Amino acid sequence: GAVVSQHPSWVICKSGTSVKIECRSLDFQATTMFWYRQFPKQSLMLMATSNEGSKATYEQGVEKDKFLINHASLTLSTLTVTSAHPEDSSFYICSARDRDGGYTFGSGTRLTVV
Amino acid sequence: GQSLEQPSEVTAVEGAIVQINCTYQTSGFYGLSWYQQHDGGAPTFLSYNALDGLEETGRFSSFLSRSDSYGYLLLQELQMKDSASYFCAVRIYNQGGKLIFGQGTELSVKP
Repeated sequence: GAVVSQHPSWVICKSGTSVKIECRSLDFQATTMFWYRQFPKQSLMLMATSNEGSKATYEQGVEKDKFLINHASLTLSTLTVTSAHPEDSSFYICSARDRDGGYTFGSGTRLTVV
Repeated sequence: GQSLEQPSEVTAVEGAIVQINCTYQTSGFYGLSWYQQHDGGAPTFLSYNALDGLEETGRFSSFLSRSDSYGYLLLQELQMKDSASYFCAVRIYNQGGKLIFGQGTELSVKP
């Protein structure tokens, strides 16, 4: 089946630094990727839709200058959390629609900002 | 806007049957999906209803009634490994294919 590889699985960073999270579609081309954030015991909240070769579309309330999304190829989308602060600590997950029309999720990245 | 409401927690015993409800308010969507998520893991797809009615996939079944803005996931012959969070989700019309999730239901299966 379709696979989306997400790295890193977990990361600890200092407050004020930036962190990049990568999602790669391994066996299909993902023209669109979706980025979610999930706080403990809560739902997956859509942050943005990443489109290959164009600007990402951000959901209301998500700071586009803080959460930089790049989708430079059909198999790679990245999310960079800039100037991270403890309140950005969360579980970040990407998703892409596969060739069957279903949604394949990455394994998630646990970000802890100290 | 869209909202999908689910009970926050459900508890059941091994071997039992449990139903997780999802009521929604949305302007229009392609179908209702259900996902399972274990702690710290990615959501995994369980079932999908494009049309009204019941869909059965092994121990899991899902139901949709668009006229009632309601759906449910039915889990039969519960096993301890079914303890997880369950989310209903919809793909909204004309929204670039993005998937919107419900609030999630934490299922605890007891021996």
